[in-house]
Amino acid sequence: ETGVTQSPTHLIKTRGQQVTLRCSSQSGHNTVSWYQQALGQGPQFIFQYYREEENGRGNFPPRFSGLQFPNYSSELNVNALELDDSALYLCASSLRTENTEAFFGQGTRLTVV
Amino acid sequence: EDQVTQSPEALRLQEGESSSLNCSYTVSGLRGLFWYRQDPGKGPEFLFTLYSAGEEKEKERLKATLTKKESFLHITAPKPEDSATYLCAVQARRSYQKVTFGTGTKLQVIP
Repeated sequence: ETGVTQSPTHLIKTRGQQVTLRCSSQSGHNTVSWYQQALGQGPQFIFQYYREEENGRGNFPPRFSGLQFPNYSSELNVNALELDDSALYLCASSLRTENTEAFFGQGTRLTVV
Repeated sequence: EDQVTQSPEALRLQEGESSSLNCSYTVSGLRGLFWYRQDPGKGPEFLFTLYSAGEEKEKERLKATLTKKESFLHITAPKPEDSATYLCAVQARRSYQKVTFGTGTKLQVIP
């Protein structure tokens, strides 16, 4: 059984650029949720993907978008990066959309300069 | 809007000194309350899910309880390896996909 893996672990981008973060879900998990965690804060829900469709979204602008693939892996795309986008981006996978027991990856640390 | 407030922000305990962490929440129709542990530079690790007032769950030195307005995470005789940030989160019935987290309690257990 493999855990949730995210890539890359660290990334530095320039304001205005675009970034793609990747997540491989735990074996057998069909639901992936993405979170943004600023320093010293709790994770904030961005959106959830289930069966390759967006299935719920938090208070994030449309420049945050995602994809889920048939093998349940997922991508988070952020366009027109802003300095405030600097954060730890976390992916969580679960067996059910209700997130009853979600397993998190180690995160991608994004720095926007 | 769902809200989660955790206290204290930081807690320093001697090894063996039991204590409790508090999580106060406001949510319209609670579906579930979660506790996670997060070590520095890592993703949160799932601990418990509680669904209804009066429910309790235990795991090793940790015990989580739930009332209609609060949840407590009791730590009995903590060890240095229990040092971490403990996060509380809630999920509403109307929007079960979304989990709202608090800012966490940073626990340090000194040998």
